[in-house]
Amino acid sequence: AQSVAQPEDQVNVAEGNPLTVKCTYSVSGNPYLFWYVQYPNRGLQFLLKYITGDNLVKGSYGFEAEFNKSQTSFHLKKPSALVSDSALYFCAVRDNGNYGQNFVFGPGTRLSVLP
Amino acid sequence: GAGVSQTPSNKVTEKGKYVELRCDPISGHTALYWYRQSLGQGPEFLIYFQGTGAADDSGLPNDRFFAVRPEGSVSTLKIQRTERGDSAVYLCASSFGEKETQYFGPGTRLLVL
Repeated sequence: AQSVAQPEDQVNVAEGNPLTVKCTYSVSGNPYLFWYVQYPNRGLQFLLKYITGDNLVKGSYGFEAEFNKSQTSFHLKKPSALVSDSALYFCAVRDNGNYGQNFVFGPGTRLSVLP
Repeated sequence: GAGVSQTPSNKVTEKGKYVELRCDPISGHTALYWYRQSLGQGPEFLIYFQGTGAADDSGLPNDRFFAVRPEGSVSTLKIQRTERGDSAVYLCASSFGEKETQYFGPGTRLLVL
């Protein structure tokens, strides 16, 4: 069965600094990897995904993520953080080799961008 | 265009009661998913529909939980004999196809007293 780990409960970064939110995964087949963001009292918003192809994926709001197969990681990055980026971030994986269609989400990482 | 909508946004009920939660997916999306999110945790998969049929219901915690999608669009998650442990935010998502990105609704916050 697939699994996702987000090793940091909380990430604090100063506005204007680069940010990284970490994600590692485990699947038996090829992974489909996703990042979602959740603002207070709102549903999850899609940021970006990796299915195949270029390991560096660019998404919404200036975010990007790098797929690293050898390290089974898919860390979320942004070159310059904004206060408005403060939210809860979830990494999710689906096993492409598995006929089950469900995602497994990580526990989430709370990002705080300090002005 | 319109996103995924869920009603009600909040539901308070008493232990032992029956509740129904509704999800309206994005028009044209054939796949629909239900998740449950407890405080401080990531969403937990419950059930997935492809069209009218439940393609994967392996995440339903027990037989008190049931979901339908009779016409392949709107879905209803039904919880019988609610327990306090059922309190959570129930999220619905839809996608154009089974391998496409899932788009989430705002959720229904269920509180069982």
